Amino acid sequence: QKEVEQNSGPLSVPEGAIASLNCTYSDRGSQSFFWYRQYSGKSPELIMSIYSNGDKEDGRFTAQLNKASQYVSLLIRDSQPSDSATYLCAVVFSGGYNKLIFGAGTRLAVHP
Amino acid sequence: EPEVTQTPSHQVTQMGQEVILRCVPISNHLYFYWYRQILGQKVEFLVSFYNNEISEKSEIFDDQFSVERPDGSNFTLKIRSTKLEDSAMYFCASMLTFLGGTQYFGPGTRLLVL
Repeated sequence: QKEVEQNSGPLSVPEGAIASLNCTYSDRGSQSFFWYRQYSGKSPELIMSIYSNGDKEDGRFTAQLNKASQYVSLLIRDSQPSDSATYLCAVVFSGGYNKLIFGAGTRLAVHP
Repeated sequence: EPEVTQTPSHQVTQMGQEVILRCVPISNHLYFYWYRQILGQKVEFLVSFYNNEISEKSEIFDDQFSVERPDGSNFTLKIRSTKLEDSAMYFCASMLTFLGGTQYFGPGTRLLVL
């Protein structure tokens, strides 16, 4: 069974802090990894994609991938109340046609 | 910036009725997807579509479901005889390239089956 696991949260952080979101996946052959943000009642919005081991930075966001540990994470620096949302980890498993397998999401609450 | 659009934003229907959900993918994209999200649950893959045919479908995508690209811009999901459990948000997504491609999601259609 191909699965993507995330802590459901809520993860509560103060404004200005670093939020750390984690995700594990079951398929060692996976090659493509994505973080989406979803506000309540809205569609997933792409934040980051990552394909190689290591870190990838984009503004306040850093994605980290460790394929040996089957682990991908998202760091949000200088968290803002507007970052409060559910963060979805999505993985493209090997052998498919690029379908995304989503985790259940981690709810992030940034309080002033 | 180009975006995926979906219509209608909300649809209420009676059990057993047919519904058609419409999507306009980003214009130069080649790969198209439907996902659904039941309230409070994960986003689930339904079907992928490329070169005018289904490339992959999930167990959810049974004979009651069909997809079509009737012209060069629209991509539709039809549910022939809706059930209560079809109530969900339905998202269309499109992607430009296959290797390392990124899927961009439309705003979704909220379907309520009574």
